[in-house]
Amino acid sequence: GENVEQHPSTLSVQEGDSAVIKCTYSDSASNYFPWYKQELGKRPQLIIDIRSNVGEKKDQRIAVTLNKTAKHFSLHITETQPEDSAVYFCAAPSWGKLQFGAGTQVVVTP
Amino acid sequence: DSGVTQTPKHLITATGQRVTLRCSPRSGDLSVYWYQQSLDQGLQFLIQYYNGEERAKGNILERFSAQQFPDLHSELNLSSLELGDSALYFCASSAEGHHSGNTIYFGEGSWLTVV
Repeated sequence: GENVEQHPSTLSVQEGDSAVIKCTYSDSASNYFPWYKQELGKRPQLIIDIRSNVGEKKDQRIAVTLNKTAKHFSLHITETQPEDSAVYFCAAPSWGKLQFGAGTQVVVTP
Repeated sequence: DSGVTQTPKHLITATGQRVTLRCSPRSGDLSVYWYQQSLDQGLQFLIQYYNGEERAKGNILERFSAQQFPDLHSELNLSSLELGDSALYFCASSAEGHHSGNTIYFGEGSWLTVV
């Protein structure tokens, strides 16, 4: 199928803890995996992406890992802060279309 | 600011009516995408245009249509509107026509409320 599956749907973490969101995809030809952050009522914004020629990419407190064999990729947020609270979407190309996961509502509690 | 411009920002209309949503892509981008996001829902891909031609189609209803003009702006037409069409409609653009390593940038969206 064309689905990109994303888990969990909601994630509540204490400020300072880490958050991990996982996505799986089905199109083995997929080679680009972006992550978007969407705050309430606002547009999705790209926060990090990874291409299939690398297994991990970091940008300050955010990292993404990719396992092409297993067809899954994950977003890791370390030292979470209240401003990290948002909905996060993964995406993967799927037979010519960029398919998004269903989203993960992340709530960071002080 | 992503550089993708959408109008109108908000729209309230009655069932059975027709509306047009407009999108101007980032300068230099050739691809335009339309996504629908209902309340507490994910991003549903509707359709993509590349340099004036339809490139990919998602779960777009027959009541909906879109086009991309020679100046690369795009319009999404929604007709015979139903209550369930109420949603946030996003336009996005990218430089190229394929998704491999091709970052897409979203506009602020058009809020459509059907009453």
